[in-house]
Amino acid sequence: DTAVSQTPKYLVTQMGNDKSIKCEQNLGHDTMYWYKQDSKKFLKIMFSYNNKELIINETVPNRFSPKSPDKAHLNLHINSLELGDSAVYFCASSPKGFGEKLFFGSGTQLSVL
Amino acid sequence: AQSVTQPDIHITVSEGASLELRCNYSYGATPYLFWYVQSPGQGLQLLLKYFSGDTLVQGIKGFEAEFKRSQSSFNLRKPSVHWSDAAEYFCAVGLFGTGGFKTIFGAGTRLFVKA
Repeated sequence: DTAVSQTPKYLVTQMGNDKSIKCEQNLGHDTMYWYKQDSKKFLKIMFSYNNKELIINETVPNRFSPKSPDKAHLNLHINSLELGDSAVYFCASSPKGFGEKLFFGSGTQLSVL
Repeated sequence: AQSVTQPDIHITVSEGASLELRCNYSYGATPYLFWYVQSPGQGLQLLLKYFSGDTLVQGIKGFEAEFKRSQSSFNLRKPSVHWSDAAEYFCAVGLFGTGGFKTIFGAGTRLFVKA
């Protein structure tokens, strides 16, 4: 069983479209995250949720809206996609949210044309 | 502002040779320190972690890292590199800031292993 799974693995879309990425963890962790990795491999935190509650929102455009229906799921919806949104998006989780290692999904490669 | 610096964008070592990847951080207190590895097309996997105690930390796959407070460094080492170690390596700092605890990553060091 995959611990942190995200779908889809690849997403190719046109500018202006709206798309969603889904993430699920079966580890029983309280905290989930979205990270963005750009073409230079730089990894930056976008959001953090603890038990369905938003904790961290790192100056991300409001076109990005995370949603956590329960603590095992954290989805990312992106409106009006722009070329600069092209990146790899990683979902991650951790047991308590501090001091703990992160468990990463395998990433979603988003290409905006 | 808190930051993590990995001075080497890429490093090439011969198989069987020793490896050291450098990491420096900027933070007022001792943060949680991590090294992660990312293989192509994969998510990141934790190699090792440090917060307190023995400053030499052992991790998976034969890696170790040493915390040096005086140098604000947390360098990753391996005595003998295998071809399968070729990957991207990320140093990270975990700290409390506005909005809670977060993990900040360095820019990564790409390791190439030559036969």
